[in-house]
Amino acid sequence: DTAVSQTPKYLVTQMGNDKSIKCEQNLGHDTMYWYKQDSKKFLKIMFSYNNKELIINETVPNRFSPKSPDKAHLNLHINSLELGDSAVYFCASSQSTHEQYFGPGTRLTVT
Amino acid sequence: KQEVTQIPAALSVPEGENLVLNCSFTDSAIYNLQWFRQDPGKGLTSLLLIQSSQREQTSGRLNASLDKSSGRSTLYIAASQPGDSATYLCAVRAGGSEKLVFGKGMKLTVNP
Repeated sequence: DTAVSQTPKYLVTQMGNDKSIKCEQNLGHDTMYWYKQDSKKFLKIMFSYNNKELIINETVPNRFSPKSPDKAHLNLHINSLELGDSAVYFCASSQSTHEQYFGPGTRLTVT
Repeated sequence: KQEVTQIPAALSVPEGENLVLNCSFTDSAIYNLQWFRQDPGKGLTSLLLIQSSQREQTSGRLNASLDKSSGRSTLYIAASQPGDSATYLCAVRAGGSEKLVFGKGMKLTVNP
């Protein structure tokens, strides 16, 4: 029944490693997003895809690469992880510019 | 550049009070405004969405209003309960953009 799901829920890894976070939505939405919530709980958009096309790409290091294999999935791959990448990453979806629905988040800890 | 502000950052009230949460934004050219709730360690739950052409939206004990010209929205919570304790976030979407710009949130504690 989960509308927007993310895996894994927790991710602990060492500096320099490469990791991926997966997101799936079963709402039939055409737009998906990745947000980062930092230690001060501030939420900021990173990327947005509409019908598998990248439409928002905020100032994010190119170590972060989103991939959308289809409209229902948006994955986030992070290369050469750094301590500052530790945060909670949220996936969201919407039908165009309508209400956004968020996933439960992935807490990434880089040691 | 759109900026969203929520003041105060935290609020602690006794159960039963009627509450008003404030949100202000710098650019009035918005498409819609969305209020969310976030419980500790959880994702965001959408509470209300107000389109730019609307003045208010209601859901149960929640009522959100929008005044575009003054760059303000308020979330009214009637008869607050301990279960309302959470962080409340306001986010605006600029016209023609899929991007939501968030405020930093307001942490609400309702004491029994």
